[in-house]
Amino acid sequence: NAGVTQTPKFQVLKTGQSMTLQCAQDMNHEYMSWYRQDPGMGLRLIHYSVGAGITDQGEVPNGYNVSRSTTEDFPLRLLSAAPSQTSVYFCASRDNGELFFGEGSRLTVL
Amino acid sequence: DQQVKQNSPSLSVQEGRISILNCDYTNSMFDYFLWYKKYPAEGPTFLISISSIKDKNEDGRFTVFLNKSAKHLSLHIVPSQPGDSAVYFCAVYTSGTYKYIFGTGTRLKVLA
Repeated sequence: NAGVTQTPKFQVLKTGQSMTLQCAQDMNHEYMSWYRQDPGMGLRLIHYSVGAGITDQGEVPNGYNVSRSTTEDFPLRLLSAAPSQTSVYFCASRDNGELFFGEGSRLTVL
Repeated sequence: DQQVKQNSPSLSVQEGRISILNCDYTNSMFDYFLWYKKYPAEGPTFLISISSIKDKNEDGRFTVFLNKSAKHLSLHIVPSQPGDSAVYFCAVYTSGTYKYIFGTGTRLKVLA
């Protein structure tokens, strides 16, 4: 029972580099979302999707792109990484009001 | 402006005693409330939830209380166990929307 799977678990980038954080779920959930967790800030919503082909912005979307071509996958793209994007990123899917989180991806931007 | 506040960054409780974690929110449109627990290097895991039509929900050692007039949510853990040591987040959302808002978390330490 994989649930929500995130890759990579750790990544170090240089300022200006691009990368994609992968998220996959095997629970057939329509809703998926990305959060970032920073010290003293809790979890903040970056982008979310209510189904394949539909995405929308959350609280802190700037600097991030998403797409949802399948129900299973919801990748998060950083086109030009900045030190302010150093954070722990969590992907979550939803069923019946409850969010199911992945284990997180720790990103450091130098 | 924070819509969801957990004013206690940390809490220490003796094993066997009650742990009370608090959460305040500002918007009366929120009608679904959840608590998540997070261990280091893991994702948050769902603990318990309550909708605005109730004022209490119990699940084993965990009880969530909702005071809508005060816009206040609390989680009671009794008896507390060392394995309960974690960071606890409250989260809220409005039915029909898709945006969950999380508090900043409270680190609970249960002392053996």
